[in-house]
Amino acid sequence: AQTVTQSQPEMSVQEAETVTLSCTYDTSENNYYLFWYKQPPSRQMILVIRQEAYKQQNATENRFSVNFQKAAKSFSLKISDSQLGDTAMYFCAFISSSNTGKLIFGQGTTLQVKP
Amino acid sequence: ETGVTQSPTHLIKTRGQQVTLRCSSQSGHNTVSWYQQALGQGPQFIFQYYREEENGRGNFPPRFSGLQFPNYSSELNVNALELDDSALYLCASSFERNYGYTFGSGTRLTVV
Repeated sequence: AQTVTQSQPEMSVQEAETVTLSCTYDTSENNYYLFWYKQPPSRQMILVIRQEAYKQQNATENRFSVNFQKAAKSFSLKISDSQLGDTAMYFCAFISSSNTGKLIFGQGTTLQVKP
Repeated sequence: ETGVTQSPTHLIKTRGQQVTLRCSSQSGHNTVSWYQQALGQGPQFIFQYYREEENGRGNFPPRFSGLQFPNYSSELNVNALELDDSALYLCASSFERNYGYTFGSGTRLTVV
C-alpha cells in the first residue's frame, strides 16, 4: 500500500525568508505523480506544484520548487521569499499512474509566515 | 470557466440521520472524487465516479454512497450518521480521470 508521511506538523518562517517542507512516501510502483497542495482557511485545496516521477528534473513554479529524490522516496517543497499569503496548511500527495482516481495525502504541515 | 461548487457549506445533523452533499463539477470534467477530511488531518479518499459509474472506492462502509448525474454533477449520501462522520467533505473533479484535479471548498458536516 502506498503511504505519504509529513513529519513536520507545524513550521514558521519570517516573511521574505526561505522554508522547506518535508515529505516522504512509500510505493512499489515506478510510474506515479507527486503533488503539493495548499489549503488556506478558505478550505479549498489549491495545487501548488506537481512532479512526474519519470522526470528527473525538479519542478519549479515561481517561488515554489521541489527536491525530488526518487531513490530515497523523498519530495520536499521549498518556498522562497515567503509571503504572508503563504500561510496555510500544506499537503503532500501521491497518485499512481495505474490508479489515477485516488490521491493519497500526508497528514499536512501548518505553515505560518510571520511579518 | 467555473470551478467546483459544493453545497451546502455547513451542515449540522443528529446521529442516526441521513445527509446528502452536492457537488457541481468544473465545466468539461466528467470525473468526480469525494474525500473526507477530519480536523487537522489529510483528506481520505471515499470514492470516485466516472461517466456516472463508481470507479474506485476507499475504505469506507456501504452507508457512504454516491451518484453522478448525466451533467456530471454528483451527490454523496451518508446514512445512519455517526459522531465520527463529523468532517470536511471535499469534492474534486477532473477530465477523463486525469490527475489534474480541481477541488471545491468543501462541506463542513457536524454530527451531534
